[in-house]
This record gives sequence, structure tokens and C-alpha cells, in this order.
Amino acid sequence: GAGVSQSPSNKVTEKGKDVELRCDPISGHTALYWYRQSLGQGLEFLIYFQGNSAPDKSGLPSDRFSAERTGGSVSTLTIQRTQQEDSAVYLCASSRDGRQYFGPGTRLTVT
Amino acid sequence: GESVGLHLPTLSVQEGDNSIINCAYSNSASDYFIWYKQESGKGPQFIIDIRSNMDKRQGQRVTVLLNKTVKHLSLQIAATQPGDSAVYFCAENFPRNTDKLIFGTGTRLQVFP
Repeated sequence: GAGVSQSPSNKVTEKGKDVELRCDPISGHTALYWYRQSLGQGLEFLIYFQGNSAPDKSGLPSDRFSAERTGGSVSTLTIQRTQQEDSAVYLCASSRDGRQYFGPGTRLTVT
Repeated sequence: GESVGLHLPTLSVQEGDNSIINCAYSNSASDYFIWYKQESGKGPQFIIDIRSNMDKRQGQRVTVLLNKTVKHLSLQIAATQPGDSAVYFCAENFPRNTDKLIFGTGTRLQVFP
């Protein structure tokens, strides 16, 4: 079946602009996660949605970062007033039984 | 805070040899662990998982070993192939009763012909 998809695959933006990253989880998965991965580094947890519960935003690095999950499915990660240190690969994952399945990621470059 | 870490950042093996990638965890309450493989330019791919009520679990060419006494996790890859070259991450489920995972920093496996 279809896996987790993310769009765009690559995004280049100027410092100070806002960006939106999209994640389409696996159908039926109740949990959705966003991670950030800098070059050669591990995965940094950002935010976690589980069903209709309030999201766990404990990993968001600043108030410039926000995320929504509409209708329990598609999620959008928004970064406002982007900074060069926001450059990274943003990964989305979904799960139903604890095993997380990842999308291919969006590579964000802030110039 | 508590975290999952790895002993070796890079592991080089010859094709056909067995590989062992190690991971130490510090959350003694964790009861679920996963290994992921990440190839360049791709998202992490699930390899194998294990629950804390088990010491060993085998998959196709891979085996995960869990030593709860010393809080150690390992991934063994038999007859390593060039296609196994990637970064391998261990992850632990913490806090329990959530689906959240804490990831280690990763080990790069390089396979030479």
C-alpha cells in the first residue's frame, strides 16, 4: 500500500520567508510525528499528534514553528520567518501500533 | 536528560562478513525498541523491533539482541552486502504508554567489496 508521502521534496527559501511542509500519513494511522534532521545528525523530535488528543509540542524549537493536522489525516508544518539554522531535512512519520513509518522528507534550505 | 546513544559512529566491514551495531539506552522503563536503516537521501526504514519481554528476535539476515541488565541493544547483520551500507539508528519507546520514540545519533555502516 501507499506509504507516507511528503511535499515538496526540496524547498529553497530566503531568510525571513514563511514555509509550509506537507505530510500525508498512511491511511488509518492515528499517530503522526514531525522530526528534524540536520546534516549527518540524528532525528530531533518536533511534534506528535495522536488521534483527537492535544498535540505534544514539546520538541518545537521556537514559536516560529507550528503544525496542524486536519481531519486526523494530512499535516502541515509551518515555519515562520525562516532562519538559516532552520535548514535541515524535515521528516514525517505515522504509526498505528507504535512502529513508525517515515516519509522521504523535505529538504529545506534557507539562503 | 535520558537518551539513547551509540558506541561507534562508523563501522567498516568487508562484504560477506557479519556486522554488529551497538546501542546503549538509559531509560530503564523503556519496553519497546526499534532499529531503523537510513540510506542517503531517504527517510528511515524499519528493520526490526523487539519488546522488553524478549532477549532476541530474528528477521531476514538481521538479529536484534536486548540485554536489559546492562541496557544494551545490538543489531547483527549476517553476510553483510553492499546494499546494507547506510546509517543505522536505534530508538526506544519512551515515555511508555505513548508512541513516542527517542532516537540515537546513528552509526554509519560502510561495506567494502
